[in-house]
Amino acid sequence: QSVLTQPPSVSGAPGQRVTISCIGSSSNIGAPYDVHWYQHLPGTAPKLLIYGSNNRPSGVPDRFAGSKSGTSASLAISGLQADDEAEYYCQSYDNNLGGSLFGGGTKLTVL
Amino acid sequence: EVQLVQSGAEVKEPGESLKISCKGSGYTFTGYWIAWVRQMPGRGLEWMGIIYPGDSYTRYNPSFQGQVTISADKSTNTAYLQWSSLKASDTAIYYCTRHPKNKYNWFDPWGQGTLVTVSS
Repeated sequence: QSVLTQPPSVSGAPGQRVTISCIGSSSNIGAPYDVHWYQHLPGTAPKLLIYGSNNRPSGVPDRFAGSKSGTSASLAISGLQADDEAEYYCQSYDNNLGGSLFGGGTKLTVL
Repeated sequence: EVQLVQSGAEVKEPGESLKISCKGSGYTFTGYWIAWVRQMPGRGLEWMGIIYPGDSYTRYNPSFQGQVTISADKSTNTAYLQWSSLKASDTAIYYCTRHPKNKYNWFDPWGQGTLVTVSS
């Protein structure tokens, strides 16, 4: 069964930089399919943060940056702010599933 | 503005049927894939399946195949997710969302979510 593996949690102090990894396989990120990232706050709809592995939609600050290499991807958040505290998900297409696959999610805590 | 507006929260008993909706506006509904995504309490996002409203072609996550039915009505620009017999384990928030380009791409925008509670 295909999976995208994310760390359950990361944390950092205001102003610091954190990275969230997303480890896939040859059936998804390594296929190669692009990786996309979402920010999800409780009680709200997920928000697209990064698309096409390293592109920001209009309105997303450049503190958020995505990268991809081989079968893994990363989301970097610099200049941490209190309102960055949220759950972050990676997503990619998976050949085995025949559809989209989400990572398990990473809870970001701003200390 | 592209929008997806979902139907309201539902409280059902086990064994009951349910159909929730997702109405698209601000774009050509028939030209873009719509997906349904589940979030169980305290859990992550799970892709359930997609539909192309233009021809109603549907693809399910094997984990959900036979458990739910995804459909669309072109005349009302609305996609649906339905259950014939709910279980307590179907309690979750269900989101509809759209692939802006093709089914290999990202999801944007998202509906506001529909909370389904199944309890006796």
